[in-house]
Amino acid sequence: NAGVTQTPKFRILKIGQSMTLQCTQDMNHNYMYWYRQDPGMGLKLIYYSVGAGITDKGEVPNGYNVSRSTTEDFPLRLELAAPSQTSVYFCASSYTTPDRGRWEQYFGPGTRLTVT
Amino acid sequence: KQEVTQIPAALSVPEGENLVLNCSFTDSAIYNLQWFRQDPGKGLTSLLLIQSSQREQTSGRLNASLDKSSGRSTLYIAASQPGDSATYLCATLLGGTSYGKLTFGQGTILTVHP
Repeated sequence: NAGVTQTPKFRILKIGQSMTLQCTQDMNHNYMYWYRQDPGMGLKLIYYSVGAGITDKGEVPNGYNVSRSTTEDFPLRLELAAPSQTSVYFCASSYTTPDRGRWEQYFGPGTRLTVT
Repeated sequence: KQEVTQIPAALSVPEGENLVLNCSFTDSAIYNLQWFRQDPGKGLTSLLLIQSSQREQTSGRLNASLDKSSGRSTLYIAASQPGDSATYLCATLLGGTSYGKLTFGQGTILTVHP
C-alpha cells in the first residue's frame, strides 16, 4: 500500500491564482481530511469527508473548496490565492471500527504552498 | 470547543536524559489521544495512540499516559538520543459525531544534543 499520497510536494503561487492540491489513499478509508499547518503551530482542520459525495467544513474553510467523487480521492481547491494561505497542507484518511470505538488517522507527506 | 495545549514549546536536553512532554486538553469526553512525531519538512508519524479506556501505551523507549479526568497526557522518552530530535504533537479525538476529526496542540520542539 502507498498509503496517503499528495501532489505536488511544493508550489509557489501568485496572488489571485488558483490551484488544486491532490490527495489519494489506497486503504479504502471512508473518512478523509485536509489540514493546514502554519509555522510553529499545530494542524487545523479545513474540510473533511465521511464518504464519496459527502463533505463538510472544518475549523478554517474560508478560501477553499473540496469535492469527493470517489473513495480514493479528495482534492482541495484554492480559489484566488492569498498570502494568508501560505502554509503546509496535509491530507489524512481514517478508518474506524464498527462500533466507532477506535479511530486512527494516516497522514500524507504534505504540500508546501507559498503565495506571493 | 476542544483546546489542546502542549508544554513546553521547546526543550533542549543532552543525550541520555529521560524527559517528559506534556499535553493538556479542555474537554475530557475524548475517544482517544494520539502522539505524533514530525521531522523538519516532513509529514506526521504516529507514535502512540491511547484509547479513552486505557491509562498508558508503550512502544520501545516511549511511554504515553492518559488521565482523562484531569485532561492530561504525558509522553515519556527514556534515554534520549540525537535521533529523537523532532517536533512532537499530541491530538485528541472527541467522542460523539466527531467523524474522526483531530484537534492538535501546537507541538513541542525537542532537541537532543550529543
